[in-house]
Amino acid sequence: GAVVSQHPSRVICKSGTSVKIECRSLDFQATTMFWYRQFPKQSLMLMATSNEGSKATYEQGVEKDKFLINHASLTLSTLTVTSAHPEDSSFYICSARVQGPTDTQYFGPGTRLTVL
Amino acid sequence: GQNIDQPTEMTATEGAIVQINCTYQTSGFNGLFWYQQHAGEAPTFLSYNVLDGLEEKGRFSSFLSRSKGYSYLLLKELQMKDSASYLCAVRDEGSARQLTFGSGTQLTVLP
Repeated sequence: GAVVSQHPSRVICKSGTSVKIECRSLDFQATTMFWYRQFPKQSLMLMATSNEGSKATYEQGVEKDKFLINHASLTLSTLTVTSAHPEDSSFYICSARVQGPTDTQYFGPGTRLTVL
Repeated sequence: GQNIDQPTEMTATEGAIVQINCTYQTSGFNGLFWYQQHAGEAPTFLSYNVLDGLEEKGRFSSFLSRSKGYSYLLLKELQMKDSASYLCAVRDEGSARQLTFGSGTQLTVLP
């Protein structure tokens, strides 16, 4: 299957700092990537849809100025959490859409963000 | 919008068969997915249904009834490593093909 990488896998930062998370499709091109957030024992909540070469589409309630998304190439999307606060601590997961008969999303391994 | 329901927890014995149900009420439907997620890891794709009926893939099978808004994931010959959360997700009809996930069913396989 398609491989999606995510970096870093784990990050601890101080409140007020910004953190950048990278999502890469390793063996395919992805015009569309998705960013999710998952709190402990809860399901994945879609934050935004990232489209190569255009602005991301954010879900209701997600602050676009706080969660900056850039999809500059067909294999890379980045999520920057700006001015992070402890309530932003979560598991952030990206996925890449593989277009084809099933049009499946393949997920990266996730990034555990802890804001102190 | 999408409303997806699945049981919170299930327990089964190694070697047994377990069925995890998922019901959905959606404003649009373009396929149903099942993912497996181990704690602290990302979801991995298990199966996909867009037409009514049963899709079989090794020890895993998934069934869909669009008229009833119902799907199930069937796991046979359970192994300890099958202990995980199983997520039901519905894809919408929009161009982005977004997925909406259910809350997940935590399956515990006992020896």
